[in-house]
Amino acid sequence: AQSVSQHNHHVILSEAASLELGCNYSYGGTVNLFWYVQYPGQHLQLLLKYFSGDPLVKGIKGFEAEFIKSKFSFNLRKPSVQWSDTAEYFCAVTARIGGTSYGKLTFGQGTILTVHP
Amino acid sequence: DAGVTQSPTHLIKTRGQQVTLRCSPISGHKSVSWYQQVLGQGPQFIFQYYEKEERGRGNFPDRFSARQFPNYSSELNVNALLLGDSALYLCASSLGLRPSTDTQYFGPGTRLTVL
Repeated sequence: AQSVSQHNHHVILSEAASLELGCNYSYGGTVNLFWYVQYPGQHLQLLLKYFSGDPLVKGIKGFEAEFIKSKFSFNLRKPSVQWSDTAEYFCAVTARIGGTSYGKLTFGQGTILTVHP
Repeated sequence: DAGVTQSPTHLIKTRGQQVTLRCSPISGHKSVSWYQQVLGQGPQFIFQYYEKEERGRGNFPDRFSARQFPNYSSELNVNALLLGDSALYLCASSLGLRPSTDTQYFGPGTRLTVL
């Protein structure tokens, strides 16, 4: 069974600071990797996804993530955060068997990001 | 296009009662999944349905059941409610099961409180 670990429970930054949120997964096979965001009072939204190709994935709102297979990691980055990035961020993984995804999303415990203006 | 919709928004039940939660997927999406999110944790997988067939089940007791209808909408049923079932129940839909189509889009959730 797969599992996901997010390194930080709560990160506090000032506007314009750089962001990196850690995510490691454990699964011996092929995976699809996701970052979701939950803004205050809103539902989970997809930030970005990796399933093949370039391991550096660009998402919405200037976020990017890099898949490092040898480290089982999929860290989320943003060069300059804004107050509006305040939210909870979830890393998630699904397993792939052949050409089919096993649709169970396994989530990390989430990282709360607070950005001070 | 409308996103994933769920009803009701909030629900209060007492221990031992039964509850039915409903979900309508994004138009054209054939897969629906259910998750339970307890405060302070990431969502936990309950079920996935694709083309009306159960494709996966998480580590939840048999009190939890679900089904998918011909129009791809879905219901989650929970019997004999316990206090620990209090949570946000999320529905997600995806186009299909291939890596290029399996991205899950989430609804706003149903907040269930068991007293």
